[in-house]
Amino acid sequence: DAGVIQSPRHEVTEMGQEVTLRCKPISGHNSLFWYRQTMMRGLELLIYFNNNVPIDDSGMPEDRFSAKMPNASFSTLKIQPSEPRDSAVYFCASSLRLAESTDTQYFGPGTRLTVL
Amino acid sequence: KNQVEQSPQSLIILEGKNCTLQCNYTVSPFSNLRWYKQDTGRGPVSLTIMTFSENTKSNGRYTATLDADTKQSSLHITASQLSDSASYICVAPSGSARQLTFGSGTQLTVLP
Repeated sequence: DAGVIQSPRHEVTEMGQEVTLRCKPISGHNSLFWYRQTMMRGLELLIYFNNNVPIDDSGMPEDRFSAKMPNASFSTLKIQPSEPRDSAVYFCASSLRLAESTDTQYFGPGTRLTVL
Repeated sequence: KNQVEQSPQSLIILEGKNCTLQCNYTVSPFSNLRWYKQDTGRGPVSLTIMTFSENTKSNGRYTATLDADTKQSSLHITASQLSDSASYICVAPSGSARQLTFGSGTQLTVLP
C-alpha cells in the first residue's frame, strides 16, 4: 500500500483565497483524521471521521474551516477565506477503527501551507 | 485541564549512547498513551501504544514504560543511531478519547 496520500505537498496562496487540501487514506481504514502542526501550538487534532461521517469537529478553529469525506477513499479540508495565521503543516492520518481504539494512526507526508 | 508535558525540550547525545525521554500526563479518564517519532519534514510515525495494564513495551531499540500511579511515561532509546535524530511526541487520548492531548515534543539530536 502507498500509505496515506496528501496533495498538494506545498501550497502558497494569498490572504483571502480559498485553499483545498486533499487526502487519500489507506485502503480499508475506517477512520480519518485531520491535524494541524505549528511551531507555537504543536500538533492539534482538527476533525476526525469514522465511516465517512464526521465524529468530532471540536478542533476546527473557525467557520472558515470545513472538511468533507464524500467516500471512503477521499477527504478534503477547505479554508475559505485563508488568513496568514492559517500557515502551518496540515497532516491527514487514517486508522482501522475509531480514535478510541488503540489502533495505530498512519500519517501522510503533510501539506505545508503558506498564506501570504 | 488535560495536559501532556514532555522533558527535556531538546537533547543532544553521541551516537551509540542511550537516552531517556520523559512524559507526564494528566488526562482523565485514561485510555492509552502513545509515542510518535517525527522526522523533519515528515509525518509522525507511531512507535508504541500502551494501555493502562501495560507497564512496558518495546519496539526494536525503543522501550516505553508507563506508570499509571504517577502518571508518567518514558521512552528509552538504546544504542542511539544518527537516524534517531527526530522529534518524539507523547500523546494521550482524554475525555471520551475523542480528544487527543499532545505533548510539545522532545527534539533529539544524535551526533557522530
